[in-house]
Amino acid sequence: GGIITQTPKFLIGQEGQKLTLKCQQNFNHDTMYWYRQDSGKGLRLIYYSITENDLQKGDLSEGYDASREKKSSFSLTVTSAQKNEMAVFLCASSIGTGDTGQLYFGEGSKLTVL
Amino acid sequence: AQSVTQPDARVTVSEGASLQLRCKYSYSATPYLFWYVQYPRQGLQMLLKYYSGDPVVQGVNGFEAEFSKSDSSFHLRKASVHWSDSAVYFCAGGGSSFNKLTFGAGTRLAVCP
Repeated sequence: GGIITQTPKFLIGQEGQKLTLKCQQNFNHDTMYWYRQDSGKGLRLIYYSITENDLQKGDLSEGYDASREKKSSFSLTVTSAQKNEMAVFLCASSIGTGDTGQLYFGEGSKLTVL
Repeated sequence: AQSVTQPDARVTVSEGASLQLRCKYSYSATPYLFWYVQYPRQGLQMLLKYYSGDPVVQGVNGFEAEFSKSDSSFHLRKASVHWSDSAVYFCAGGGSSFNKLTFGAGTRLAVCP
């Protein structure tokens, strides 16, 4: 089996700061995703990437940048952290070609903005 | 607009009791439907999925779900719950592309001894 590793697990930032989250997968999957999880709102798609150097915007891309420089890694940048923001960011991957819709998720990175 | 709704934010059941977690969808065509589970301090894991065919689909750990086109629902069921089933359960749906699944808000299940 494979694993998705997200770093850091906890991230505390200041208002206006640029913050970066990293994700690594060893499934050799083509497609990777970043979701934001807010209490009571489910998961919302921020960005996804179907291959190296590809980026596709999700429903919540404003205020975020993403980068997929290698097949195994996908990073997400909060361009300007908002005061009192608190959310969990989830990275996921899926096979890509022949996809069945099954996503494999990391444990999440919890962001707190002071 | 495409959507998935889980009307119950929290559900509490006794160990050994039966369980139903509700999910309603709104799609112009029959969607692909999934149930995912998030155990404490873990990532989401897929329990089961429905694409077409038999409306009752079996998943892991004794879970099953039934697709209903007439009711626009995809409810999750289990005959007898265990304390270890305590988790947050998410219903998700997708249209023509698997890359844009829509997740419901989740239902937090508490199983009491």
